Amino acid sequence: AQSVSQHNHHVILSEAASLELGCNYSYGGTVNLFWYVQYPGQHLQLLLKYFSGDPLVKGIKGFEAEFIKSKFSFNLRKPSVQWSDTAEYFCAVILYGQNFVFGPGTRLSVLP
Amino acid sequence: DAGVIQSPRHEVTEMGQEVTLRCKPISGHNSLFWYRQTMMRGLELLIYFNNNVPIDDSGMPEDRFSAKMPNASFSTLKIQPSEPRDSAVYFCASSVPGQGEIGEQFFGPGTRLTVL
Repeated sequence: AQSVSQHNHHVILSEAASLELGCNYSYGGTVNLFWYVQYPGQHLQLLLKYFSGDPLVKGIKGFEAEFIKSKFSFNLRKPSVQWSDTAEYFCAVILYGQNFVFGPGTRLSVLP
Repeated sequence: DAGVIQSPRHEVTEMGQEVTLRCKPISGHNSLFWYRQTMMRGLELLIYFNNNVPIDDSGMPEDRFSAKMPNASFSTLKIQPSEPRDSAVYFCASSVPGQGEIGEQFFGPGTRLTVL
């Protein structure tokens, strides 16, 4: 079955620490990849997306993600997190002709 | 653009009552999605419409759930009768495929449903 996995359920970091959240998917075909963020009490917002081209994608708020096709991965990174980055992060994949499949989410807590 | 609009934002009801959630997609978007989010199961796709036609409702949990999209600017998700296990946040999202790419989804603010 097609699936999206996220390595960590809950990540706790101090401010200024570097962040990497893992995302792996199980599809073998062409995919479009997304990272969404959900701040406490809010709806999902798009952080960044990859459709084609440069596998290193830059998004909003200093986030970036790298698509590694051979590893079926799309990890999210940020060199220095802030308290305001506390949120839940969802990786999502669309296989052409099908629907979004969301990962289970990773909760990030940034300690001031 | 106002984005995806959902109403109500919060709904508290008693078990057995009918609940209707509403969604207005972004103008021009031709796909609409209903999701449910719970702590236990995360985000689940319930149903999606393309050009007002239900395409895949395999995620609808049971017959108590139904969804309609009578026109391009309005959709409803109805639960009848509601049960406490239906308590969740229900998100509506809309998208329009871009040229040569699958469209990203834009999410509404969600409806937080509590069934007592």
